Amino acid sequence: DIQMTQSPSTLSASVGDRVTITCRASQSISSWLAWYQQKPGKAPKLLIYKASTLQSGVPSRFSGSESGTEFTLTISSLQPDDFATYYCQQYSETWTFGQGTKVEIK
Amino acid sequence: QVQLQESGPGLVKPSETLSLTCSVSGDSISGYYWSWIRQPPGKGLEYIGHIYNGNTNYNPSLKSRVAISSDTSKNQFSLKMNFLTAADTAMYFCARHRYGMGSDVWGKGTTVTVSS
Repeated sequence: DIQMTQSPSTLSASVGDRVTITCRASQSISSWLAWYQQKPGKAPKLLIYKASTLQSGVPSRFSGSESGTEFTLTISSLQPDDFATYYCQQYSETWTFGQGTKVEIK
Repeated sequence: QVQLQESGPGLVKPSETLSLTCSVSGDSISGYYWSWIRQPPGKGLEYIGHIYNGNTNYNPSLKSRVAISSDTSKNQFSLKMNFLTAADTAMYFCARHRYGMGSDVWGKGTTVTVSS
């Protein structure tokens, strides 16, 4: 099984900060990785797929990148609406999610 | 606009079988991957399994207890999970996954509590 190790588990930041969240896959997943944002009591929302492609309608301050089996979600300038929990998901084989990163107000 | 709606019992007794249905409106279920994901209270997302054109794939940790099926005539797909325990208490989501493009449409989720 492919394991996804996501870090950090919690991140405290201020509006305007640049934020990065990382997911490391236990083996190659090519670029089959998505990032989701979830707010309390709501379903996840797709932000990025295929590691770096922005989903339609998602603000351009969100971006994704990859280096081997390490994947990064970057929020270039954190906005009030961005305080939420973020998950990565590999869909290379038998899909798995990372453990999640809660972005809190500093 | 594609919409997904989960339905099923909110309360199930231990050792019993859970049956959930996801009704799809606004598009045909043919040609997409359809998945079930759950989230225990206060915890992260857990992939349960998915179905694509009748072919299924399951989380190995749940595979022995889970079955996903689809009904194209009703444009819906279903989840059955047996031998439930309290650890299966969670919000259950259904979602559409487009090949190579992530899960772009989600239902609002349905809460399932396992308790006697």
